[in-house]
Amino acid sequence: AQSVTQPDIHITVSEGASLELRCNYSYGATPYLFWYVQSPGQGLQLLLKYFSGDTLVQGIKGFEAEFKRSQSSFNLRKPSVHWSDAAEYFCAVGETSYDKVIFGPGTSLSVIP
Amino acid sequence: NAGVTQTPKFQVLKTGQSMTLQCAQDMNHNSMYWYRQDPGMGLRLIYYSASEGTTDKGEVPNGYNVSRLNKREFSLRLESAAPSQTSVYFCASSLPRGGGNQPQHFGDGTRLSIL
Repeated sequence: AQSVTQPDIHITVSEGASLELRCNYSYGATPYLFWYVQSPGQGLQLLLKYFSGDTLVQGIKGFEAEFKRSQSSFNLRKPSVHWSDAAEYFCAVGETSYDKVIFGPGTSLSVIP
Repeated sequence: NAGVTQTPKFQVLKTGQSMTLQCAQDMNHNSMYWYRQDPGMGLRLIYYSASEGTTDKGEVPNGYNVSRLNKREFSLRLESAAPSQTSVYFCASSLPRGGGNQPQHFGDGTRLSIL
């Protein structure tokens, strides 16, 4: 069965520092992969997605993610974090046979000045 | 451009009461979803609808029913609310069936407490 793990429940970084959020998935075929962000009191917003092709994908708000098939990973990165990036981040994998998506448990990001 | 609209935003119920959560989207999406979000568990799929007139169970369907009223609206009903159903509920929609490769668009959620 497909699954998504996000090893870090909570991460704290200083404003201006770089960020990497980890995501590992379990899926037999080439996965469809997503990163979503959730600000407090709001729904999820798509940051970026990977379907095929270039393994480094660019998203909104200066985020990027790299797909590594050998490591079954899809880590999210940002070179310089802003205070407004404090939020919950969810990695997700899409099933090829259905219109369903499996979400990871999320990583909560705090940004200190 | 409203996107996905959920009502109500907050609700408190007593155990055993019933209620319906409403969801509507204006993006002409075929697929719609109901999730619940609990701390440390991410989003878990309750029910989804691939098109008008069809619904399927997700990971945690027990205690819930859904209705795909038309292409725009997808409602979630709790017939007899239980404290274990205290959660934040999200409705989402996506483009026509694409084998899981379509991003989902989310509403702002309904925060439901059951006493």
